[in-house]
Amino acid sequence: GENVEQHPSTLSVQEGDSAVIKCTYSDSASNYFPWYKQELGKRPQLIIDIRSNVGEKKDQRIAVTLNKTAKHFSLHITETQPEDSAVYFCAASISGTASKLTFGTGTRLQVTL
Amino acid sequence: GAVVSQHPSWVICKSGTSVKIECRSLDFQATTMFWYRQFPKQSLMLMATSNEGSKATYEQGVEKDKFLINHASLTLSTLTVTSAHPEDSSFYICSATDRVRGSNQPQHFGDGTRLSIL
Repeated sequence: GENVEQHPSTLSVQEGDSAVIKCTYSDSASNYFPWYKQELGKRPQLIIDIRSNVGEKKDQRIAVTLNKTAKHFSLHITETQPEDSAVYFCAASISGTASKLTFGTGTRLQVTL
Repeated sequence: GAVVSQHPSWVICKSGTSVKIECRSLDFQATTMFWYRQFPKQSLMLMATSNEGSKATYEQGVEKDKFLINHASLTLSTLTVTSAHPEDSSFYICSATDRVRGSNQPQHFGDGTRLSIL
């Protein structure tokens, strides 16, 4: 089955700096890659996603890049703010979004003042 | 739109008790619902995929006789943890996909149920 690795496990940045989280996946058939933000005790919230026919997608301060050849994708957050502090999970899915998601191990992002 | 309601949000009960968790799609029909388990400071692990009107598909290592899943309608799936023990204490989260919008839509997550077995 699919295996998703995520790095780093913790990340501390100063407010205003950029944060980058990287994930690799094992199954070349995976074609949908969402990123979720989860605050303590709450549901995961989709912040951005990308499909395998696109190399990059951007939404304001958040961007995701996908390298299908290398089987890795990354989340980029620019101009970080304290409210960006949370745990971020990448995930991968085969055959579209109705299929099960395999999650990465998570990155705890701390944005300091 | 696309709201998934999960109930209860928190359960504390004695060892040996069976606990039922409900997952409802409030404003859409969900052909498929997923049940995840998340231990403290860990990732979400898929337990099973629940399809309306058919048996659930369980992930390897998940005991289907212990974690009973019923998806009797397009808006409701239930997870029953039978004879729960302290090691079953975890955060259980469901998600659902919109049947009408098709397979190109994100999964919508419920708020989760924190289960504590004493």
